[in-house]
Amino acid sequence: GAVVSQHPSWVICKSGTSVKIECRSLDFQATTMFWYRQFPKQSLMLMATSNEGSKATYEQGVEKDKFLINHASLTLSTLTVTSAHPEDSSFYICSAKTDKSNNEQFFGPGTRLTVL
Amino acid sequence: GQQVMQIPQYQHVQEGEDFTTYCNSSTTLSNIQWYKQRPGGHPVFLIQLVKSGEVKKQKRLTFQFGEAKKNSSLHITATQTTDVGTYFCAAPGGGSNYKLTFGKGTLLTVNP
Repeated sequence: GAVVSQHPSWVICKSGTSVKIECRSLDFQATTMFWYRQFPKQSLMLMATSNEGSKATYEQGVEKDKFLINHASLTLSTLTVTSAHPEDSSFYICSAKTDKSNNEQFFGPGTRLTVL
Repeated sequence: GQQVMQIPQYQHVQEGEDFTTYCNSSTTLSNIQWYKQRPGGHPVFLIQLVKSGEVKKQKRLTFQFGEAKKNSSLHITATQTTDVGTYFCAAPGGGSNYKLTFGKGTLLTVNP
């Protein structure tokens, strides 16, 4: 149980285009989902926290107009990187928790974004 | 905001040697979690420690939470090549008990 999927697993796009990444909880309802980015050989940096049906809470320094988050249901959250630039190239990982998971976060497999 | 310092950044050992990674916080933590990320993979939850002085074991892994709940350690006895990966500690922070602040991680490599 507690499986989280992400799609796509990797994407290459041209500078200026937008990319949507989906995060799904497959066998549980995720009351809260988190979006992280991870640069090579670095730690996970929390970008935003999203709760179903409400606006995402962004961490300081993360542009909400550039990283659009939609948590439309208890099993799906999407992150759209708008007008992507090479510096947005990174590993984006989502995680999900439930009210019953005792703070444990279940991570998706991640999406590697490369912006040319 | 919440900061968790983790050392060492890298550790290379011979198979069979022990390994320890440490995390420290300047503030008292309500709990601390440990995750493992294999190369090319995603973080996988290992354990959560909540009580002061708590010690938990998972086979060759021993997790400790300090008496003051400001530090924690993960110790692996007799490492194996399957232990390779980055070990992160993570603590709640930012005013929310749900958000996690991750340490920088310790990359463990094991020479067979």
